[in-house]
Amino acid sequence: EAGVAQSPRYKIIEKRQSVAFWCNPISGHATLYWYQQILGQGPKLLIQFQNNGVVDDSQLPKDRFSAERLKGVDSTLKIQPAKLEDSAVYLCASSLAGENQPQHFGDGTRLSIL
Amino acid sequence: ILNVEQSPQSLHVQEGDSTNFTCSFPSSNFYALHWYRWETAKSPEALFVMTLNGDEKKKGRISATLNTKEGYSYLYIKGSQPEDSATYLCASVNYGQNFVFGPGTRLSVLP
Repeated sequence: EAGVAQSPRYKIIEKRQSVAFWCNPISGHATLYWYQQILGQGPKLLIQFQNNGVVDDSQLPKDRFSAERLKGVDSTLKIQPAKLEDSAVYLCASSLAGENQPQHFGDGTRLSIL
Repeated sequence: ILNVEQSPQSLHVQEGDSTNFTCSFPSSNFYALHWYRWETAKSPEALFVMTLNGDEKKKGRISATLNTKEGYSYLYIKGSQPEDSATYLCASVNYGQNFVFGPGTRLSVLP
Protein backbone atom coordinates (compact mmCIF):
# COMPACT_ATOMS: atom_id res chain seq x y z
CA GLU A 1 0.00 0.00 0.00
CA ALA A 2 1.16 3.55 -0.65
CA GLY A 3 2.39 5.34 2.43
CA VAL A 4 1.59 8.78 3.78
CA ALA A 5 2.68 11.44 1.30
CA GLN A 6 3.84 14.86 2.42
CA SER A 7 5.11 17.89 0.51
CA PRO A 8 7.29 19.79 0.35
CA ARG A 9 10.22 17.96 1.97
CA TYR A 10 12.04 21.18 2.77
CA LYS A 11 11.00 24.81 3.01
CA ILE A 12 12.99 27.92 3.86
CA ILE A 13 11.14 31.18 4.44
CA GLU A 14 11.69 34.46 6.21
CA LYS A 15 9.86 35.35 9.40
CA ARG A 16 6.43 36.89 8.90
CA GLN A 17 5.98 35.00 5.61
CA SER A 18 3.33 32.33 5.09
CA VAL A 19 3.82 28.64 4.39
CA ALA A 20 1.57 25.66 3.72
CA PHE A 21 2.17 21.93 4.00
CA TRP A 22 0.18 19.17 2.33
CA CYS A 23 -0.54 15.62 3.45
CA ASN A 24 -2.20 12.69 1.68
CA PRO A 25 -2.91 9.87 4.16
CA ILE A 26 -3.10 6.15 3.50
CA SER A 27 -6.32 5.25 1.71
CA GLY A 28 -9.05 4.28 4.15
CA HIS A 29 -7.44 5.88 7.19
CA ALA A 30 -10.06 7.95 8.96
CA THR A 31 -7.72 9.59 11.44
CA LEU A 32 -5.08 12.15 10.47
CA TYR A 33 -2.55 13.84 12.74
CA TRP A 34 -0.22 16.82 12.36
CA TYR A 35 2.81 16.99 14.65
CA GLN A 36 5.54 19.57 15.22
CA GLN A 37 8.92 18.12 16.12
CA ILE A 38 11.57 20.53 17.39
CA LEU A 39 15.14 19.29 17.52
CA GLY A 40 15.81 17.32 20.70
CA GLN A 41 12.15 16.96 21.60
CA GLY A 42 9.44 14.41 20.87
CA PRO A 43 6.73 15.17 18.32
CA LYS A 44 4.03 17.51 19.67
CA LEU A 45 0.46 16.91 18.51
CA LEU A 46 -0.92 20.02 16.82
CA ILE A 47 -4.22 18.71 15.52
CA GLN A 48 -6.09 15.43 15.11
CA PHE A 49 -8.85 14.89 12.54
CA GLN A 50 -11.41 12.10 12.42
CA ASN A 51 -12.61 12.15 8.81
CA ASN A 52 -13.19 15.89 8.25
CA GLY A 53 -13.91 16.77 11.89
CA VAL A 54 -11.43 18.06 14.47
CA VAL A 55 -10.94 15.74 17.47
CA ASP A 56 -8.20 17.69 19.26
CA ASP A 57 -6.56 21.01 18.43
CA SER A 58 -5.74 22.06 21.98
CA GLN A 59 -2.05 22.61 21.22
CA LEU A 60 -2.50 24.37 17.87
CA PRO A 61 -1.45 28.05 18.10
CA LYS A 62 -4.62 29.26 16.48
CA ASP A 63 -3.49 32.85 16.10
CA ARG A 64 -1.06 31.76 13.38
CA PHE A 65 -1.67 28.08 12.57
CA SER A 66 -4.64 26.64 10.72
CA ALA A 67 -5.43 23.22 9.32
CA GLU A 68 -8.19 21.71 7.28
CA ARG A 69 -9.29 18.36 5.93
CA LEU A 70 -12.26 19.42 3.87
CA LYS A 71 -13.16 16.16 2.14
CA GLY A 72 -11.91 13.87 4.86
CA VAL A 73 -8.88 12.79 2.84
CA ASP A 74 -6.06 15.27 2.09
CA SER A 75 -5.08 17.86 4.66
CA THR A 76 -3.21 21.15 4.65
CA LEU A 77 -1.47 22.89 7.54
CA LYS A 78 -0.76 26.62 7.22
CA ILE A 79 1.36 29.03 9.22
CA GLN A 80 0.69 32.74 8.78
CA PRO A 81 2.78 34.66 9.75
CA ALA A 82 5.77 32.46 10.59
CA LYS A 83 7.99 33.11 13.60
CA LEU A 84 11.56 31.98 14.23
CA GLU A 85 10.37 29.45 16.82
CA ASP A 86 8.30 27.67 14.15
CA SER A 87 11.49 26.13 12.72
CA ALA A 88 10.85 22.40 13.08
CA VAL A 89 9.94 19.22 11.27
CA TYR A 90 6.22 18.95 10.57
CA LEU A 91 5.02 15.36 10.49
CA CYS A 92 1.75 14.06 9.18
CA ALA A 93 0.46 10.64 10.27
CA SER A 94 -2.65 8.61 9.61
CA SER A 95 -4.28 5.59 11.17
CA LEU A 96 -7.45 3.58 11.22
CA ALA A 97 -9.99 5.02 13.66
CA GLY A 98 -9.04 4.70 17.32
CA GLU A 99 -6.08 5.73 19.47
CA ASN A 100 -5.12 2.06 19.88
CA GLN A 101 -4.23 1.88 16.19
CA PRO A 102 -0.61 2.34 15.08
CA GLN A 103 0.15 5.56 13.26
CA HIS A 104 1.80 5.63 9.84
CA PHE A 105 4.01 8.66 9.33
CA GLY A 106 5.07 10.61 6.27
CA ASP A 107 8.64 11.73 5.70
CA GLY A 108 7.92 15.16 7.16
CA THR A 109 8.58 18.73 6.05
CA ARG A 110 11.66 20.43 7.46
CA LEU A 111 10.87 24.13 7.89
CA SER A 112 13.56 26.71 8.45
CA ILE A 113 12.66 30.30 9.32
CA LEU A 114 15.30 32.95 8.63
CA ILE B 1 -0.43 18.55 29.33
CA LEU B 2 0.73 15.43 31.18
CA ASN B 3 4.39 14.49 30.88
CA VAL B 4 5.96 11.44 29.24
CA GLU B 5 9.59 10.77 30.07
CA GLN B 6 12.13 8.43 28.53
CA SER B 7 15.48 7.25 29.79
CA PRO B 8 18.25 7.18 29.02
CA GLN B 9 18.41 10.13 26.63
CA SER B 10 21.06 8.36 24.57
CA LEU B 11 22.83 5.04 24.62
CA HIS B 12 25.88 3.56 22.88
CA VAL B 13 26.23 -0.21 22.82
CA GLN B 14 28.42 -2.71 21.02
CA GLU B 15 27.04 -5.01 18.34
CA GLY B 16 25.66 -8.12 20.00
CA ASP B 17 24.86 -6.42 23.32
CA SER B 18 21.33 -6.51 24.67
CA THR B 19 19.82 -3.27 25.90
CA ASN B 20 16.65 -1.77 27.29
CA PHE B 21 15.04 1.65 27.71
CA THR B 22 12.28 3.02 29.89
CA CYS B 23 9.18 5.06 29.13
CA SER B 24 7.33 6.65 32.07
CA PHE B 25 3.79 7.91 31.52
CA PRO B 26 0.78 9.06 33.57
CA SER B 27 -0.98 6.01 35.01
CA SER B 28 -4.30 7.78 35.65
CA ASN B 29 -6.92 7.44 32.90
CA PHE B 30 -4.51 5.34 30.84
CA TYR B 31 -5.74 4.16 27.44
CA ALA B 32 -2.79 3.10 25.25
CA LEU B 33 1.01 3.21 24.95
CA HIS B 34 2.74 3.34 21.56
CA TRP B 35 6.38 2.63 20.66
CA TYR B 36 7.96 3.93 17.45
CA ARG B 37 11.42 3.64 15.88
CA TRP B 38 12.72 6.67 13.99
CA GLU B 39 15.80 6.12 11.85
CA THR B 40 17.71 9.10 10.50
CA ALA B 41 16.36 10.36 7.17
CA LYS B 42 13.31 8.11 7.43
CA SER B 43 9.83 8.43 8.91
CA PRO B 44 8.85 7.01 12.33
CA GLU B 45 7.81 3.37 12.16
CA ALA B 46 5.32 1.77 14.53
CA LEU B 47 6.69 -1.02 16.71
CA PHE B 48 3.99 -1.78 19.27
CA VAL B 49 0.66 -0.53 20.59
CA MET B 50 -0.09 -1.79 24.09
CA THR B 51 -3.23 -1.35 26.15
CA LEU B 52 -3.42 -4.03 28.87
CA ASN B 53 -1.53 -4.07 32.16
CA GLY B 54 1.09 -6.83 32.07
CA ASP B 55 1.01 -6.98 28.29
CA GLU B 56 4.15 -8.19 26.54
CA LYS B 57 4.74 -7.84 22.81
CA LYS B 58 7.54 -9.10 20.61
CA LYS B 59 8.74 -8.33 17.08
CA GLY B 60 11.88 -10.21 16.11
CA ARG B 61 14.63 -9.22 18.55
CA ILE B 62 12.60 -6.36 20.03
CA SER B 63 10.10 -6.80 22.84
CA ALA B 64 8.17 -4.53 25.17
CA THR B 65 6.36 -4.79 28.49
CA LEU B 66 3.68 -2.59 30.04
CA ASN B 67 2.82 -1.71 33.65
CA THR B 68 -0.19 0.60 33.63
CA LYS B 69 -0.57 0.70 37.41
CA GLU B 70 2.82 2.27 37.99
CA GLY B 71 3.03 3.99 34.60
CA TYR B 72 6.04 2.53 32.83
CA SER B 73 6.97 0.46 29.80
CA TYR B 74 10.27 -1.20 28.96
CA LEU B 75 11.60 -1.78 25.45
CA TYR B 76 14.20 -4.52 25.08
CA ILE B 77 16.52 -5.21 22.16
CA LYS B 78 18.30 -8.56 22.20
CA GLY B 79 21.62 -8.86 20.38
CA SER B 80 21.73 -5.29 19.04
CA GLN B 81 22.74 -4.81 15.41
CA PRO B 82 23.97 -1.62 13.69
CA GLU B 83 20.63 -1.41 11.85
CA ASP B 84 18.92 -0.98 15.24
CA SER B 85 20.53 2.45 15.54
CA ALA B 86 17.64 4.91 15.73
CA THR B 87 15.66 7.08 18.10
CA TYR B 88 13.01 5.10 19.98
CA LEU B 89 9.91 7.11 20.88
CA CYS B 90 7.04 6.23 23.16
CA ALA B 91 3.68 7.99 23.22
CA SER B 92 0.98 7.81 25.87
CA VAL B 93 -2.75 8.18 25.27
CA ASN B 94 -4.88 8.93 28.31
CA TYR B 95 -8.61 9.55 28.46
CA GLY B 96 -9.11 13.25 28.00
CA GLN B 97 -5.66 13.78 26.52
CA ASN B 98 -4.46 12.51 23.20
CA PHE B 99 -1.00 11.50 22.10
CA VAL B 100 1.87 12.82 24.19
CA PHE B 101 5.28 11.72 22.97
CA GLY B 102 8.37 11.38 25.09
CA PRO B 103 11.64 12.98 23.97
CA GLY B 104 13.03 9.65 22.76
CA THR B 105 16.04 7.48 23.45
CA ARG B 106 18.78 7.72 20.81
CA LEU B 107 20.47 4.34 20.36
CA SER B 108 23.79 3.91 18.58
CA VAL B 109 25.02 0.37 17.95
CA LEU B 110 28.73 0.24 17.21
CA PRO B 111 30.01 -2.54 14.93
